[in-house]
Amino acid sequence: DAKTTQPNSMESNEEEPVHLPCNHSTISGTDYIHWYRQLPSQGPEYVIHGLTSNVNNRMASLAIAEDRKSSTLILHRATLRDAAVYYCILRDNTNAGKSTFGDGTTLTVKP
Amino acid sequence: DVKVTQSSRYLVKRTGEKVFLECVQDMDHENMFWYRQDPGLGLRLIYFSYDVKMKEKGDIPEGYSVSREKKERFSLILESASTNQTSMYLCASSLRLAGIYEQYFGPGTRLTVT
Repeated sequence: DAKTTQPNSMESNEEEPVHLPCNHSTISGTDYIHWYRQLPSQGPEYVIHGLTSNVNNRMASLAIAEDRKSSTLILHRATLRDAAVYYCILRDNTNAGKSTFGDGTTLTVKP
Repeated sequence: DVKVTQSSRYLVKRTGEKVFLECVQDMDHENMFWYRQDPGLGLRLIYFSYDVKMKEKGDIPEGYSVSREKKERFSLILESASTNQTSMYLCASSLRLAGIYEQYFGPGTRLTVT
């Protein structure tokens, strides 16, 4: 399985943008890049996913490098409620979601 | 609102007991999953099911079994609980095409085996 690498932790100030990086140098052509986050005492929740093009939704934006070997999750204005562990994982349609979540990036948001 | 529910938030069992963890989803999803989450190890897949009565092993199936008799319900069974199975257990579901569709997770069950 293709692996992802994320920093263990990042800090941000409230109301500032946050860029969470993810490296996936062994990504295959059929892998989708998914981001999830896990708030304290909750199960992970879906944030966004993409294949090749940048994606936007109400929660965040996903910027995908042209060679697809890295991606960045962008929170445009961090709030205290965005403090969570953020996971970047790769999925394709043949593995039925078997990819394992790593340790992710713990985002701390300071008021 | 989509929902994945788990039967208990907290559970305490004794070594050797048979333990059932239940998960129900109301989204008519084909795929259902059981993970365990431990500090420093992330979420690891135990089993998943892509249809009723179908199951496949994940990365760490030893000591666990599963049952999916109905589409909406996926049960994780610890035949004889051991202390190393103390963990947070998370259930999830998704539509069949895992690359395109997102997973929805339940709130988790924190199991302590004493």
